[in-house]
This record gives sequence, structure tokens and C-alpha cells, in this order.
Amino acid sequence: DTGVSQDPRHKITKRGQNVTFRCDPISEHNRLYWYRQTLGQGPEFLTYFQNEAQLEKSRLLSDRFSAERPKGSFSTLEIQRTEQGDSAMYLCASSNDGDHYEQYFGPGTRLTVT
Amino acid sequence: LAKTTQPISMDSYEGQEVNITCSHNNIATNDYITWYQQFPSQGPRFIIQGYKTKVTNEVASLFIPADRKSSTLSLPRVSLSDTAVYYCLVGDPGFQKLVFGTGTRLLVSP
Repeated sequence: DTGVSQDPRHKITKRGQNVTFRCDPISEHNRLYWYRQTLGQGPEFLTYFQNEAQLEKSRLLSDRFSAERPKGSFSTLEIQRTEQGDSAMYLCASSNDGDHYEQYFGPGTRLTVT
Repeated sequence: LAKTTQPISMDSYEGQEVNITCSHNNIATNDYITWYQQFPSQGPRFIIQGYKTKVTNEVASLFIPADRKSSTLSLPRVSLSDTAVYYCLVGDPGFQKLVFGTGTRLLVSP
């Protein structure tokens, strides 16, 4: 296992379209996180899964955003009716219990909404 | 979660030691101090974590004074490839989620 992978790496979409991103965590990690990062800013937490349970959601995650981790392995993040303000890098990370903040990040999916 | 303050940017030359200081005046008893590194178009990468005194690994050292209101990340003999953004994070590991600030942009020149 070479690390966290994300697909696609880049996505360009028109405003109003739906997009879905996939994250494959490190196989033995039971925790999975989604973050969003805009230019010049640090990543912002969106949501967190422990196995298949979504345990926390940020207020940044509006009703247009939904995340799933159906079997406790890979996760998807869907954005419905995209807006230009959704343009950002979407980062996925994974970790194990007791890692005390040591999360492993994927390369991210860069979304551009035109 | 404790707020952190760190310099927006720093410049250095190859072979020098770089020290990046982070202020966290409101750090709580259960909080750990963690540093991440991020290269352009990549996700952040964990560098080091500590609670008090000094921690050293193969990449960096982390110095934390007794009052824990600040910390210093020390990068020995930097190279061009150390050019990146460095984030200082403070929080209770039980919260799990990471809270990033804007970080310090380190530029290493030849």
C-alpha cells in the first residue's frame, strides 16, 4: 500500500452540475477525513469517519455536500449543484486510533467550477 | 482549540538551520503541538509532534518551553527541497480533526 489515493486529481465542471470524488485510505486505517483547501489558506476540516460511521461534520458542509464510507474502506464526497465558491482542493486523509494527530493525506482533487 | 500564530513567511539559504516559532498562548493541558509540511499541489505531511521539552526525529526537532505557550520547529541544514508551507497545530488528540492556520511559507534559496 503506497498511501492515500484520490480520484480524480482534477475536475472542471460547470456551475450547477454534480460532482463526486473518491478517496481510498491506507488499508489498515479505520479513520478517514475530508478537508477543503483554498488558495493561500490552510486546509479546513469538513467531515470525519470512524469505520463506516460519520462522526463529525463541519458547518462548512452545507446540504449540497454529502460524504459516505459505506463499507468502512473507501469514501466518496459528492457536491450537488456546484457553485463557483466550491472551487478548491479537496483533501482526504486517514489515520489509526491513537495516532494523536498523525494523519496521512492524499494528493487531493482540485475542483474548478466555471 | 488553541489559536496559533506563526510568521507568514521566512527566507533561508541552503545549509542553514531554520527555526520557525509558533505562539499558542491559550494552549490547554491536554493539547499536543503538531507540525505539518505542505508542498504545492500536495496534501500536508506530518513532521513532528510533542507535548513538552524537546522532541527530535530524522527530519526535525521541536522545542517546547516549560510554559508551553510557544514552540519552535527546527530544521537542520535546509535544502532547496525544504521549500514548503509549515503549519503549527495545537489541540487535544481526542478531537481528531486538525485545525490549520495559514502556515509559514519557507523559501530556501541556493
